[in-house]
Amino acid sequence: DSGVTQTPKHLITATGQRVTLRCSPRSGDLSVYWYQQSLDQGLQFLIQYYNGEERAKGNILERFSAQQFPDLHSELNLSSLELGDSALYFCASSRGGLTDTQYFGPGTRLTVL
Amino acid sequence: TQLLEQSPQFLSIQEGENLTVYCNSSSVFSSLQWYRQEPGEGPVLLVTVVTGGEVKKLKRLTFQFGDARKDSSLHITAAQPGDTGLYLCAIRSNQFYFGTGTSLTVIP
Repeated sequence: DSGVTQTPKHLITATGQRVTLRCSPRSGDLSVYWYQQSLDQGLQFLIQYYNGEERAKGNILERFSAQQFPDLHSELNLSSLELGDSALYFCASSRGGLTDTQYFGPGTRLTVL
Repeated sequence: TQLLEQSPQFLSIQEGENLTVYCNSSSVFSSLQWYRQEPGEGPVLLVTVVTGGEVKKLKRLTFQFGDARKDSSLHITAAQPGDTGLYLCAIRSNQFYFGTGTSLTVIP
């Protein structure tokens, strides 16, 4: 158990819909990272937040957005869902910046039908 | 185009055998990480290598960073079924990049 929690574990929805994935970092961690893992693209970095502020941005689509709240939990919002958005979405947390060890959560499996 | 190419993509071996997996790029990195991901779980960091030519050992796992800091290898001695998983290399620059992965199956 990494100490990072993600909800829900599974999510099934339809194209065009909007979903919210939630992540609670390890106690004391200020950074939260979001990743997407699919069979064809592998593990792709989406975005990082540090203490509520966006710190780094990767291959995140404009239909996707994220935020980190004052209590340090984070949410990833996916809208106008497409079949190709079906994937595992991982959250990770670390103490601080890019040089810290990241601890990954168990992931949310999103299926878009 | 992938920044980090891993080979082989799939590997199935018998328990007790040795194996090596590779992570290659045309770019130079200041450091490189190796992760293992088991089915249904997130990746877990195994090691970070930072110096060209560096060799790190973690029990039966030996990690090497290339002299030019453009490639890395992971060697497993006497593989066990518990080594089964997806092995990912990763680098961090302004963001994080993960390799294509090697899926290892160790058959008892």
